[in-house]
Parts: sequence; structure tokens; C-alpha cells
Amino acid sequence: SAVISQKPSRDICQRGTSLTIQCQVDSQVTMMFWYRQQPGQSLTLIATANQGSEATYESGFVIDKFPISRPNLTFSTLTVSNMSPEDSSIYLCSVGGGGGETQYFGPGTRLLVL
Amino acid sequence: QQQVKQSPQSLIVQKGGISIINCAYENTAFDYFPWYQQFPGKGPALLIAIRPDVSEKKEGRFTISFNKSAKQFSLHIMDSQPGDSATYFCAARTPRGAGSYQLTFGKGTKLSVIP
Repeated sequence: SAVISQKPSRDICQRGTSLTIQCQVDSQVTMMFWYRQQPGQSLTLIATANQGSEATYESGFVIDKFPISRPNLTFSTLTVSNMSPEDSSIYLCSVGGGGGETQYFGPGTRLLVL
Repeated sequence: QQQVKQSPQSLIVQKGGISIINCAYENTAFDYFPWYQQFPGKGPALLIAIRPDVSEKKEGRFTISFNKSAKQFSLHIMDSQPGDSATYFCAARTPRGAGSYQLTFGKGTKLSVIP
């Protein structure tokens, strides 16, 4: 399985500001995914980010709020823009396994917006 | 429908007992069913997974039972240990074409194994 790291691991931010979360993988992967997990809740897919193409956003998530970059096969960023307390959550990066088998997750970024 | 319904929401099991978590789905397009284990402060970790053409898969103390006709699958943890205390998520994969896919997650089960 791929080893995934995320930066920052946690942050406390003021409302109205933006935070960029970085995801680094130790091997080249085609598909990367960004999820949100609100405290004590399940995982909700924000978008799928494939290298060389625009990210595909799920219903309820828009590019202006969550811009994503995917400059190469080992790296991606998710920006949470114009934050409000409702954006307080864990943001998880995930990559597709070899052969298309399921997904592996990073450790997450814990965001608190005041 | 994309939902995966998971139960129970929480579960308390004595050490050495069997933990059973159930999931049900409606979408017959799901083609792969993984289970994830998440400890507090960590990301979910793949535990075990099964394809719908298999009725059971066992890895160590963890077994998935799959009933395709009933659209149900379950995770059994044998000889449960305090170290198994975590939140467990079932999931189901939907192919999206061009090699892409989506995972739909259940709401999670918080397992507590007491000594």
C-alpha cells in the first residue's frame, strides 16, 4: 500500500481565511481523492483529482470553495477558502490502490475554524 | 441509490467475544466491498475487502460474510481484543468509467472491547 502524508496535521484558523492542505504520496498514483469527515461522522467525498485533468467535484462541493491542484502523480493540494466554523472538520487525502482495488488514506488534517 | 446502511452505531463486546457489524445496500452496481478501521486521530486503514462473487473471506481474526441475494454483508471479529477498539466503516465501490470509481461509506460503528 502507498504511504501518504499530509500537511499540516492540524490547524486553527480564523473565519474568512483560507488554508491549503498538502498531500504527498511515496509512489506515483493516477487517482487521488479528497474527503471530509466531520467529528464523529462518516466520510464524504469532496472531489476526485486525476493528474492532467480538472478535478471532479461531488454534489454540494464547488471549485471556488475547495480548489484542488494536482501538478504531478505524487502530490495534490486542497484549499479550503473563505472558511467558516462549519468547515471545521477532518480533511483526508486518499489514493487508489494498484489495479484499481479500493483506496488508502492519509492521516488527515484536523481543521478548527473560529 | 448510493446509500450503505451500517449497524449498530456502537457496540460493546467482552474481550474474547465475537464482534459483528452489519451493512446493507441497494445499488447492484457496487462491485467491491472494503472495510476500514479508524483509530482516534488517525486516517481510516483498509482492514479487509470482498468481491460480490465470494460469500466469505477470512483474514486472521477478521471475516467478511457476503450475501448477494440479500444485499447484505457483515464483518465478524473473532476473539475480540481491547486493541480492536476503534470505529469501523463498511464501504461499497461504484465504477465510474475510465478506470475511476467512487467509495460510498456507511456511517460507522464504534466498537469498544472491554477486558
